Amino acid sequence: DSGVTQTPKHLITATGQRVTLRCSPRSGDLSVYWYQQSLDQGLQFLIQYYNGEERAKGNILERFSAQQFPDLHSELNLSSLELGDSALYFCASSVERPGAGYQETQYFGPGTRLLVL
Amino acid sequence: LAKTTQPISMDSYEGQEVNITCSHNNIATNDYITWYQQFPSQGPRFIIQGYKTKVTNEVASLFIPADRKSSTLSLPRVSLSDTAVYYCLVGGDTNAGKSTFGDGTTLTVKP
Repeated sequence: DSGVTQTPKHLITATGQRVTLRCSPRSGDLSVYWYQQSLDQGLQFLIQYYNGEERAKGNILERFSAQQFPDLHSELNLSSLELGDSALYFCASSVERPGAGYQETQYFGPGTRLLVL
Repeated sequence: LAKTTQPISMDSYEGQEVNITCSHNNIATNDYITWYQQFPSQGPRFIIQGYKTKVTNEVASLFIPADRKSSTLSLPRVSLSDTAVYYCLVGGDTNAGKSTFGDGTTLTVKP
């Protein structure tokens, strides 16, 4: 158990709909990352938040948005869903101490499996 | 950011030592090298991290040559449960969020 929780575990929805995925980081971790992993694909970095602020952006579609709240939990919003958005969505967290020099370990949650029909 | 290149797949047998090499020719001075393991339908899990020379923990060893343009993850005496995808990640604290996992190496351990 990494200490990162994600809800829901599974989500089935229809094209055109909007869903929200939730992530609670490990206690004390300030940084949250979101990744998308399609079937038999590698991990695609979407976005990172650090202490409530957007820190880095990857290949995140304009239909997707995220935020990190004062209690440090994060939500990933996916709208106008398409069949191709079906994937595993992972959240990861890290302490992320700026100036530490090394790359902080990312602790991954169990993921949310999204199926768009 | 340093782009990484790994073999797509590798096969091994139980009890053998497995070495997976990652190329990162344009690694930056501040970059560290981190390896993760991922089982199907689970999130990746940290294995080991290093900056130069050799790092060893209870799970694996990481060998990094002086020029740091590549690294080798060594798994001693693999078992069937080591069948997984292994990712090499290169980055530092200034670009951590943009580090990409790439396609990884699928290791299959056979009995």
